[in-house]
Amino acid sequence: DTEVTQTPKHLVMGMTNKKSLKCEQHMGHRAMYWYKQKAKKPPELMFVYSYEKLSINESVPSRFSPECPNSSLLNLHLHALQPEDSALYLCASSQEGLYEQYFGPGTRLTVT
Amino acid sequence: AQKITQTQPGMFVQEKEAVTLDCTYDTSDQSYGLFWYKQPSSGEMIFLIYQGSYDEQNATEGRYSLNFQKARKSANLVISASQLGDSAMYFCAMREVDNYGQNFVFGPGTRLSVLP
Repeated sequence: DTEVTQTPKHLVMGMTNKKSLKCEQHMGHRAMYWYKQKAKKPPELMFVYSYEKLSINESVPSRFSPECPNSSLLNLHLHALQPEDSALYLCASSQEGLYEQYFGPGTRLTVT
Repeated sequence: AQKITQTQPGMFVQEKEAVTLDCTYDTSDQSYGLFWYKQPSSGEMIFLIYQGSYDEQNATEGRYSLNFQKARKSANLVISASQLGDSAMYFCAMREVDNYGQNFVFGPGTRLSVLP
């Protein structure tokens, strides 16, 4: 099973709202990732969790707050977003080392 | 500096023909991994194929093969017998070893259109 699930599939939120994106995998992977992807661009790495500890934070604004409650779950908490944060948010997981990442279907976020 | 280069923004191929998507990379590491992903219009990133830097044989997965030329730092994807469902965006990616083994970089992508 190489499935990574993400909820919700679509999200529309105002600039004053607080919302969360959720990601789950049951492949026993110990590394999990959040990416942001704008239209016609490659995914940009936002955060990496390794063994449930935040190991990479690619200078992402504090209005994005990641959380890894356990090795299977990854959340991205959103607060006071800007319209330019509208994008596809992808979650991925992988084994440690030089292995492929498996991606979820993504959440299409629109900030109004 | 861009670590992954894909020089073909868009490619067309006739159904049932083979097509090669180009990818060159830049790294000073000896140990790294190279990957190709497919992204249909639905948005999901689908893993296609992996090549390790120490692998001597080119990777193959069904209709996909990776033409790995280490000295030239190229990792081209070959799709044989193209199908209409192959129309999508294709990304080349590289993973390098760092303290966490987590550096994963994507190229700009090539949009492939398969013509009936």
